[in-house]
Amino acid sequence: GAGVSQSPSNKVTEKGKDVELRCDPISGHTALYWYRQSLGQGLEFLIYFQGNSAPDKSGLPSDRFSAERTGGSVSTLTIQRTQQEDSAVYLCASSLGITYNEQFFGPGTRLTVL
Amino acid sequence: QQQVKQSPQSLIVQKGGISIINCAYENTAFDYFPWYQQFPGKGPALLIAIRPDVSEKKEGRFTISFNKSAKQFSLHIMDSQPGDSATYFCAASKKAGTALIFGKGTTLSVSS
Repeated sequence: GAGVSQSPSNKVTEKGKDVELRCDPISGHTALYWYRQSLGQGLEFLIYFQGNSAPDKSGLPSDRFSAERTGGSVSTLTIQRTQQEDSAVYLCASSLGITYNEQFFGPGTRLTVL
Repeated sequence: QQQVKQSPQSLIVQKGGISIINCAYENTAFDYFPWYQQFPGKGPALLIAIRPDVSEKKEGRFTISFNKSAKQFSLHIMDSQPGDSATYFCAASKKAGTALIFGKGTTLSVSS
């Protein structure tokens, strides 16, 4: 596809379960970002991958959150032992690379923790 | 600490009118200022962006005005249309390859 894709589009889980959210960036984009959008908090940065460099994890809210990027393309955000406050829309964005500012967002995954 | 402050929170404009959304920032290291448009159920879409070396950028009906000394920038939507009804976010980043810092968003409603 031409744009950033994310799956699933919606995820409902029970408190304490682990979830995995997937992001496919735009082909050729080496930079990948995860953000979280929640009511009252707006859009918050979570983690950033650039090529093979160590990721910038400075936005991860707790050690229950982790992410990986395999082969420099697809990324998976994992939330362990989910809590109700994790309920939000998780957005992925990609960019051409380290010298490019423009970030292009996917449609997001809406996570609901019951 | 809110690094990018956006106002108003919501805005109602008549069709054909001008919509104006304002943002202010504190960190002088920011050098890239985009605006995103988001429709319900969709991800944010890049609308227009500016760097601090210019005071204005126009793309169609959308204009960014930038005031470096005041550390403020604004989005103007000329001839607002009902299809412009969406949430608009301003953002800032320090350099390419760094995270965007977003404002809280403005919900625009254009009445026909």
